Amino acid sequence: QKEVEQNSGPLSVPEGAIASLNCTYSDRGSQSFFWYRQYSGKSPELIMFIYSNGDKEDGRFTAQLNKASQYVSLLIRDSQPSDSATYLCAVNFGGSGGSNYKLTFGKGTLLTVNP
Amino acid sequence: DTGVSQNPRHKITKRGQNVTFRCDPISEHNRLYWYRQTLGQGPEFLTYFQNEAQLEKSRLLSDRFSAERPKGSFSTLEIQRTEQGDSAMYLCASSLRGAGDTQYFGPGTRLTVL
Repeated sequence: QKEVEQNSGPLSVPEGAIASLNCTYSDRGSQSFFWYRQYSGKSPELIMFIYSNGDKEDGRFTAQLNKASQYVSLLIRDSQPSDSATYLCAVNFGGSGGSNYKLTFGKGTLLTVNP
Repeated sequence: DTGVSQNPRHKITKRGQNVTFRCDPISEHNRLYWYRQTLGQGPEFLTYFQNEAQLEKSRLLSDRFSAERPKGSFSTLEIQRTEQGDSAMYLCASSLRGAGDTQYFGPGTRLTVL
């Protein structure tokens, strides 16, 4: 059973702080990793994807991947109240024949940014 | 470039009724996925199409569920003889093969079975 684990939170940070969201996954051969943001009652919205070990930065967001430790994280700098949402980590474990398709999601971490 | 669209956005039905949902993917995307999400959980994979071919179905997709993607364009998901346990958000996503398979989600259809 391939699994993605996230701390459900809630994670509470003050406005302007760095929020750090973490995710672990069960299969060392996993290929690609995604972070989605989901506001209450809405559908997931893609924030970032990362395929290679190391850091990837996009604006206030940085994704970090460590395949040896089977760990991926999302840092949000200068957190804003509008960042308050559930953050979903998703992993593409790879399909048969090497084809990529379905995502396996964690349960999500609820982030609250306090003004 | 319009995003993924889903209809209806909300559906309330009585137990035992049949329901059908529609998904229109991003126009150039050849891969289409259905997921189901219940409260407090992440989305769970249901099924996947590449063009018009349905290539995988999850064990979550019982024989009461059927999905189609005629002509490789829009897709429908039908649930027959609905049960209260079918109440969930049904999410459709699409991606373009060869472009990292990054999946973009539609707004979802929220199903409530009374």
